[in-house]
Amino acid sequence: GESVGLHLPTLSVQEGDNSIINCAYSNSASDYFIWYKQESGKGPQFIIDIRSNMDKRQGQRVTVLLNKTVKHLSLQIAATQPGDSAVYFCAENPPSYNTDKLIFGTGTRLQVFP
Amino acid sequence: DAGVIQSPRHEVTEMGQEVTLRCKPISGHDYLFWYRQTMMRGLELLIYFNNNVPIDDSGMPEDRFSAKMPNASFSTLKIQPSEPRDSAVYFCASSLRRGGAGTQYFGPGTRLTVL
Repeated sequence: GESVGLHLPTLSVQEGDNSIINCAYSNSASDYFIWYKQESGKGPQFIIDIRSNMDKRQGQRVTVLLNKTVKHLSLQIAATQPGDSAVYFCAENPPSYNTDKLIFGTGTRLQVFP
Repeated sequence: DAGVIQSPRHEVTEMGQEVTLRCKPISGHDYLFWYRQTMMRGLELLIYFNNNVPIDDSGMPEDRFSAKMPNASFSTLKIQPSEPRDSAVYFCASSLRRGGAGTQYFGPGTRLTVL
């Protein structure tokens, strides 16, 4: 049969609008989370991180919200720009004192149109 | 800082050939990670090192894959013999751990095509 690749969910927003990208993580005891941005042909680029003792963290034009009750992470981008078009990944650090692994989600493609 | 450096950026080889991918982590970082990215499987961790010592290689697909880190500024990922299904983008990342998982910084990747 024909192989299919990962189906990346896509979020299309108009330039200037706010974007919200969601992520469900797997381990309720994960204690560290990161959002990465990957542009075409490039490696993932760090955007913002948050530890489990926080609910919200703000950066420049970006905000990460953490809801541990439902194991949900979101990335909010204010005043979305064409340069924000990319695939966005959330990553979690499984709880352990002897591992530094990050488990990556499948990603969400953000498309910004004028 | 130059960031994580990977070479080559592109590699095209024939099935059965040996392939060596190279990585120079950010100076001072004591963790180094090798990932593989494909459309089918997304971003997968292959192996990671701490202070040049392999810590977890459970993601290495099979014996054809091997990784070394002879010193703090250099690591290699070798595939021998290569197969078409190894075609992917391979990323190296490094981090400086501070009381927990540290932010990983990725290189630009090596796009490998095995014919």
